[in-house]
Amino acid sequence: ELKVEQNPLFLSMQEGKNYTIYCNYSTTSDRLYWYRQDPGKSLESLFVLLSNGAVKQEGRLMASLDTKARLSTLHITAAVHDLSATYFCAVDIQGGSEKLVFGKGTKLTVNP
Amino acid sequence: GAVVSQHPSWVICKSGTSVKIECRSLDFQATTMFWYRQFPKQSLMLMATSNEGSKATYEQGVEKDKFLINHASLTLSTLTVTSAHPEDSSFYICSARGDSVADTQYFGPGTRLTVL
Repeated sequence: ELKVEQNPLFLSMQEGKNYTIYCNYSTTSDRLYWYRQDPGKSLESLFVLLSNGAVKQEGRLMASLDTKARLSTLHITAAVHDLSATYFCAVDIQGGSEKLVFGKGTKLTVNP
Repeated sequence: GAVVSQHPSWVICKSGTSVKIECRSLDFQATTMFWYRQFPKQSLMLMATSNEGSKATYEQGVEKDKFLINHASLTLSTLTVTSAHPEDSSFYICSARGDSVADTQYFGPGTRLTVL
């Protein structure tokens, strides 16, 4: 059974600081997704990582994938309050079928 | 970008009744649709995968007779919660993808179901 573990589950940080969220998974996969969810809302797609070594950046967020280590990271640079949300990673367990297993999510709070 | 809608956005029903939730892909043909449920402050759990014109594939532990899924067209899938009980109260989210390997899935806005 595929397990997807995120850490930390809760993250409180000051504006302007940097931090990294980690996503480990237990089986082979080369497709990993990061999503953002605001309270009461659905998921917003942030990044799709499709190969080992993939790195994508959008604004203050940068995601990377190491398929050998089965690890993805979501790095936050110079956090701002608007980044406060819950961030999920998800792993495709059937080679492109997009049958996803989600991590438990990281609730990020950025304090002024 | 691709848009997926859900209706209703929220619903309150009495225990024992059935509730139907619609998921539509507005600007693309969705060969595959996924249904998830999310309990408060928890992650998303895949319930079932449906392909247009065929029976849905349910995940382990999901009762197919309780959660009826129909994917009758390339733009519409429905989830019917039959004989709903309070423990079925949850946030139900659908997603849809096209038929290209490069396609990713696009998520609907979700439906909050409360069973009294």
